[in-house]
Amino acid sequence: GQQVMQIPQYQHVQEGEDFTTYCNSSTTLSNIQWYKQRPGGHPVFLIQLVKSGEVKKQKRLTFQFGEAKKNSSLHITATQTTDVGTYFCAGTSGSARQLTFGSGTQLTVLP
Amino acid sequence: NAGVTQTPKFQVLKTGQSMTLQCAQDMNHNSMYWYRQDPGMGLRLIYYSASEGTTDKGEVPNGYNVSRLNKREFSLRLESAAPSQTSVYFCASRFMDTQYFGPGTRLTVL
Repeated sequence: GQQVMQIPQYQHVQEGEDFTTYCNSSTTLSNIQWYKQRPGGHPVFLIQLVKSGEVKKQKRLTFQFGEAKKNSSLHITATQTTDVGTYFCAGTSGSARQLTFGSGTQLTVLP
Repeated sequence: NAGVTQTPKFQVLKTGQSMTLQCAQDMNHNSMYWYRQDPGMGLRLIYYSASEGTTDKGEVPNGYNVSRLNKREFSLRLESAAPSQTSVYFCASRFMDTQYFGPGTRLTVL
């Protein structure tokens, strides 16, 4: 079945540093989504990428979808303490309507 | 709109006990999902319901049953709880391609 790997599992950064998490799928994806989960909270949808090579920005967050539609990345510029949480990628392949989640990257921002 | 609600928020069970986790959404979404979240393993799909009256197995369905009672409600039942079912359970509903998650139920099986 489809597998989605995500690295790193943990990342500690000083406030103001940049952060990147990477997502790789074993199969070609129809789309990829990114979610954020605050400590003790539930996953919240951030964005969806659909097109090969697509790049989207949300303020300090930049999302990329690879040309082969098998990988994706989330980059945060100048992290803030409000960025703390776990970031998950989740992909759909073929006609499947289920999401397959990566294992997540837990971001800690040190003040 | 309350969005997706789940009850209870916390539960402790003994091995062999049964219980039902409740989920309801007020967004008129057709599709609903049950996930479990374990440390380092992301979210794994247990069961889903594409529409009222239909349910399908996900990645980890063993030990669970579901009921799509109506369009709003989708419940998850553990017939005989095991320590391996200690986890955080999230219910979600879907609109277009976006999933909206409930606050979760933290379940401990002793």
